[in-house]
Amino acid sequence: GAVVSQHPSWVICKSGTSVKIECRSLDFQATTMFWYRQFPKQSLMLMATSNEGSKATYEQGVEKDKFLINHASLTLSTLTVTSAHPEDSSFYICSARDLSTGGKRYSNQPQHFGDGTRLSIL
Amino acid sequence: KQEVTQIPAALSVPEGENLVLNCSFTDSAIYNLQWFRQDPGKGLTSLLLIQSSQREQTSGRLNASLDKSSGRSTLYIAASQPGDSATYLCAARRSNDYKLSFGAGTTVTVRA
Repeated sequence: GAVVSQHPSWVICKSGTSVKIECRSLDFQATTMFWYRQFPKQSLMLMATSNEGSKATYEQGVEKDKFLINHASLTLSTLTVTSAHPEDSSFYICSARDLSTGGKRYSNQPQHFGDGTRLSIL
Repeated sequence: KQEVTQIPAALSVPEGENLVLNCSFTDSAIYNLQWFRQDPGKGLTSLLLIQSSQREQTSGRLNASLDKSSGRSTLYIAASQPGDSATYLCAARRSNDYKLSFGAGTTVTVRA
């Protein structure tokens, strides 16, 4: 089955540091990847949609200068949390849309999720 | 804006009992609804996906129903096992849109 790899799985760093999280589709191509944020016992909140070769689309209330997204290839998207602060501590999950399945109607294409990154800012 | 609610937030049952997990959504104009499993500190594993034109989907001990008109979906897990302990999330996909709106999940504990 389709696999999405997310790295690192856990990171602890000091306040003010920038942290990069990678999301890779290992055995399929993904022109679109999604970045979610999840606080304890809360639902996943979509932060942004990452499009290969173009600018990401951010959801309302998400600071694009704070959360930099780069989608340089069909298998890799990165999320960089710049100048991280304790309030940025959260669980970040990416997902990727598999182009090869679901027929012509793009909405049928399933999303495959990574294992998430636990970010702790001290 | 689509709002997805899952009740109860937590559930504890003895092994062997059937589980019933509820999901409700405010906007019935959905394209599909998906149920996921999330283990602690992990990502999401897709369990079942129901298209808007379908009433239910089944996979092994899992059965999910969908009633668009009332804005509800139910996940049934038959003969629960301790390995079923996890958080179960439902997510609604808007029509003609790839974005998912998630519920907060139901955390299930199956006692041996």
